[in-house]
Amino acid sequence: GAGVSQSPRYKVTKRGQDVTLRCDPISSHATLYWYQQALGQGPEFLTYFNYEAQPDKSGLPSDRFSAERPEGSISTLTIQRTEQRDSAMYRCASSLEGTEQFFGPGTRLTVL
Amino acid sequence: DAKTTQPNSMESNEEEPVHLPCNHSTISGTDYIHWYRQLPSQGPEYVIHGLTSNVNNRMASLAIAEDRKSSTLILHRATLRDAAVYYCILTRTNQGGSEKLVFGKGTKLTVNP
Repeated sequence: GAGVSQSPRYKVTKRGQDVTLRCDPISSHATLYWYQQALGQGPEFLTYFNYEAQPDKSGLPSDRFSAERPEGSISTLTIQRTEQRDSAMYRCASSLEGTEQFFGPGTRLTVL
Repeated sequence: DAKTTQPNSMESNEEEPVHLPCNHSTISGTDYIHWYRQLPSQGPEYVIHGLTSNVNNRMASLAIAEDRKSSTLILHRATLRDAAVYYCILTRTNQGGSEKLVFGKGTKLTVNP
């Protein structure tokens, strides 16, 4: 595609519900990243994939957060048993190996 | 991770040059210096990066101090569309491929008409 796309753009959920966010990277980009951005702050790294492999999960805040990229293209980020502190913008980025990261528009998650 | 320090905010007038400073006194010899910016309500976008030599591209110039402990992003003629938060980021690899970006708080640039 022309750029990184994410869906949904906005998600409102109730505390305790599970949510799944989707990222469609630029085609042919091997590397895909997930970041969490709180209001007024810079993005914070969550995890990344190199094709299907997930070499670094160090930024995932708890075991309620998980990510997948089973076929090395589209990725999902799942948050189980959401809490109000999970409310944030979730940004996905992709890159060719050794190139700049291209960011998507983000998913704004609100947990009530 | 080596840290960067930037002013919280800066102001400029339209069509004037802007010099955005970044201190990275603990930079290691192999760290690359990257700049990304984030326009309001958008995702971050790459601006420029360098290792030791000054760099120019269509968006900006990057001036790197000889001891590499500081750098300056230069916008030659600021426009209203350059109003954004500018982040100075160090990475171990060229262009940050396969490596997380550690964004600090950045510098919020306001451009006055």
